[in-house]
Amino acid sequence: SQQGEEDPQALSIQEGENATMNCSYKTSINNLQWYRQNSGRGLVHLILIRSNEREKHSGRLRVTLDTSKKSSSLLITASRAADTASYFCATLSTDSWGKFQFGAGTQVVVTP
Amino acid sequence: EAQVTQNPRYLITVTGKKLTVTCSQNMNHEYMSWYRQDPGLGLRQIYYSMNVEVTDKGDVPEGYKVSRKEKRNFPLILESPSPNQTSLYFCASTPGGSPNTEAFFGQGTRLTVV
Repeated sequence: SQQGEEDPQALSIQEGENATMNCSYKTSINNLQWYRQNSGRGLVHLILIRSNEREKHSGRLRVTLDTSKKSSSLLITASRAADTASYFCATLSTDSWGKFQFGAGTQVVVTP
Repeated sequence: EAQVTQNPRYLITVTGKKLTVTCSQNMNHEYMSWYRQDPGLGLRQIYYSMNVEVTDKGDVPEGYKVSRKEKRNFPLILESPSPNQTSLYFCASTPGGSPNTEAFFGQGTRLTVV
């Protein structure tokens, strides 16, 4: 079964707007990570937030984590056409450091 | 260049014909994993390995085998492929030693079983 589930499944915005996507998960985690995938290619790591952190920033990315609600959000500010991609959250279990679980992803389209 | 390399990138095969997808990483990572990606389901972990000769099942291990004889290589074996194994497959590695590290992904292998 999937650990993480993203919402929305798809998002269409214009350049300059902000994009927000959410992720919910089910079990205890070590950390939560966000990855980006361009059309059928390999995933690229964006940002990692540990279970004892509540917010983290990296460039135009802002991630929040609420462990009481088992949810996270990824905000991309001032989006660009190059941000068009699928975004996935992934959780790392406290049971095993090798066991990642991914959500189904949010497909983001940024139009110029 | 630090990378995870999968081969082949594309493969079309027939039902029942054994195949192996290779994965190699040059970063001396301890952990390696295999995932399959299907539309609407995201990535699902097939198997993972936390060290040489140590492998564990992920969420969807049925129909797959793996081995980890060397640290750098983690091949995925389909002994008798079936059409429901048509998918996009990714290998990934992480350094190990800490849970708070990112995973590095290969470019993917698109497998079609007819």
